Amino acid sequence: DIVMTQSPLSLPVTPGEPASISCRSSQSLLDSNGYNFLYWYLQKPGKSPQLLIFLGSNRASGVPDRFSGSGSGTDFTLKISRVEAEDVGIYYCMQALQTSFTFGPGTKVDIK
Amino acid sequence: QVQLVQSGAEVKKPGASVTVSCKVSGYTLTALSMHWVRQAPGKGLEWMGGFDPAEGEAIYAQKFQGRLTMTDDTSTDTAYMELTSLTSEDTAVYYCAIDRWLDPWGQGTLVTVSS
Repeated sequence: DIVMTQSPLSLPVTPGEPASISCRSSQSLLDSNGYNFLYWYLQKPGKSPQLLIFLGSNRASGVPDRFSGSGSGTDFTLKISRVEAEDVGIYYCMQALQTSFTFGPGTKVDIK
Repeated sequence: QVQLVQSGAEVKKPGASVTVSCKVSGYTLTALSMHWVRQAPGKGLEWMGGFDPAEGEAIYAQKFQGRLTMTDDTSTDTAYMELTSLTSEDTAVYYCAIDRWLDPWGQGTLVTVSS
């Protein structure tokens, strides 16, 4: 299975400031059609996870444009341009290149 | 808009089996691929299995091979996940989610395994 790692695992943030989370995979997530099968999810406290970014860099419907995804191959980044209080929760990256999907360990984002 | 509504919480004894349902509304289940993910208390997300359209069958994580069965009832647009031979390690919230991009998710079903 593809192993996913994230850093940092904990990220205290100040509202209005930017934030960045790194995700790395043990194998390239780039397929022959040029798509990176890397997804980002946010799980707010007590809620189900919600899709933020699909195929590495595409915002899901309804996701604010302060969220952006970048990267290719094995290295990916989720950026929040200006953190808001509602952005607290645990952020997970996930690979779906291989049908046995695997998640990163999660990055807990909270307010300083 | 697709919505997923899961069955209620379950309490099971070790060795028993549990079935969790996930009803689809706003779309037809035959056009979707259902996946199941679980989350143990205080832990991260763990993909259990999902339908692979390319293979035309359900694919299960190695960890759950032989214990996990995913089925569909297309007449009611309801997907089911059955996990057998439960142990305390299976205590978790179980989620259903749609397609390869896992969107949207159900509200989750807490399964508690305790003697």
